[in-house]
This record gives sequence, structure tokens and C-alpha cells, in this order.
Amino acid sequence: QVQLQESGPGLVKPSETLSLTCTVSGGSISSYFWYWIRQPPGKGLEWIGYIYDSGSTSYNPSLKSRVTMSVDTSKNQFSLKLSSVTAADTAVYYCARSMPEDFYSWFDPWGQGTLVTVSS
Amino acid sequence: DIVMTQSPDSLAVSLGERATVNCKSSQSVLYSSNNKNYLAWYQQKPGQPPKLLIYWASTRESGVPDRFSGSGSGTDFTLTISSLQAEDVAVYFCQQYYGLPFTFGPGTKVDIK
Repeated sequence: QVQLQESGPGLVKPSETLSLTCTVSGGSISSYFWYWIRQPPGKGLEWIGYIYDSGSTSYNPSLKSRVTMSVDTSKNQFSLKLSSVTAADTAVYYCARSMPEDFYSWFDPWGQGTLVTVSS
Repeated sequence: DIVMTQSPDSLAVSLGERATVNCKSSQSVLYSSNNKNYLAWYQQKPGQPPKLLIYWASTRESGVPDRFSGSGSGTDFTLTISSLQAEDVAVYFCQQYYGLPFTFGPGTKVDIK
């Protein structure tokens, strides 16, 4: 059974870059699309973007200028970088997987999520 | 962007009674070439990630109790819990995967009366 686990700093200073990694275990990173989704405390869910095992990406236009995703198939990991963060970027960040070979997909499974707080 | 709305914001239902959550999209999420609605439902309990319940608007994910069902087409969808159990207390979200960026409804909190 595939499991996802987010990792990275829980505290980032304003104007700096948030960096997170999602490690995939119990299955291959190949042939799926991999998503990042975030949820500000007590609020709704926002899709950040996806990356494919080839490195192909698509980002939410609302964040596109600040987002970079990458994948390391040898480590079964993919990563998120969000630059120039502000307090509005404080959220629980989740990684999730698509159905096989199609990014027009629901999200399943999800990682447990990691809270990133932006504060000086 | 496709805007997803949900109603009600919250509801309280007695144990064993029916709970109904509505979701509306700002444009159709029915793809005519395959006649599938690109709509999913999730359940989120405090401190946990969302859990997939339903995809293609009405296909129940493996392992999800059959008291959960999804219906609707085009722009109007419903999640029904036929007989509410204590463990169903949660926030329920709909999500469209018809167009980028993917978007979620704001959530409906379901509680016990």
C-alpha cells in the first residue's frame, strides 16, 4: 500500500523560500502524477500543482510565479519550493497521488500533512 | 477557475438519520466524450488529511461504507450519508478535477444532533 510522507522545516521566515519533500513508500513514483495541496488553519483546501515522473509540471496560476516542483525518481521523492513567503502561506501542506497516468484525477492517497508557519 | 460551492455550511443530524450535503460547480464538470462527471468527495476529521470517499461523482472508493453515496451530474451534486454514525462526524469537501486549477468546495461540517 502506497504511503506518502511530507518533510521539511515547520517554520520559515517571511520573504524566504519554503521547501518541502514528499517521500513515496510502498510503490513506485513512476506512471503517476503527484500533487501538492495546502490548507490554512481552519480553512479550505487549495491545489498548488502537480509534477509527473518525467518532470512535467502544472501550477495553480495564483501561485505560479513563486512555485517550483521537482522530482527525484531514484529516491522516490518529489519536492515543492515556494518563494517569497508571507504569513498568508502559513498552512498544512499535503502531498497526494493521482490515478494512474492521468492528472485529471482525484487525490488518493494523501500524506499526513505538515504544518508550515511563516513568522519571523 | 471553476468555483465550487457547498450547502449547508454545517448540519446536525440524529444518529441513524440521513445527512445530505450539496455541491454546485460554476460550470459543468461532465465530460461529454466519456459521460463522466469529474467530481470527488472527501471526508476530513480533525488533525487528519482528507480521505477519498467518492470519485466520478458516484463511484464509492474501496473500503468506504455503503451508507455513503454520491449522485448528480453537470453542475449539481449530492453526498448522502444514509444512516449517520458517530464516526461520520467530519467536514466533507467536494472537488472538481475537470479543469485546471483543480478546486474544492469550502466544506460542510456534519455533526450529531
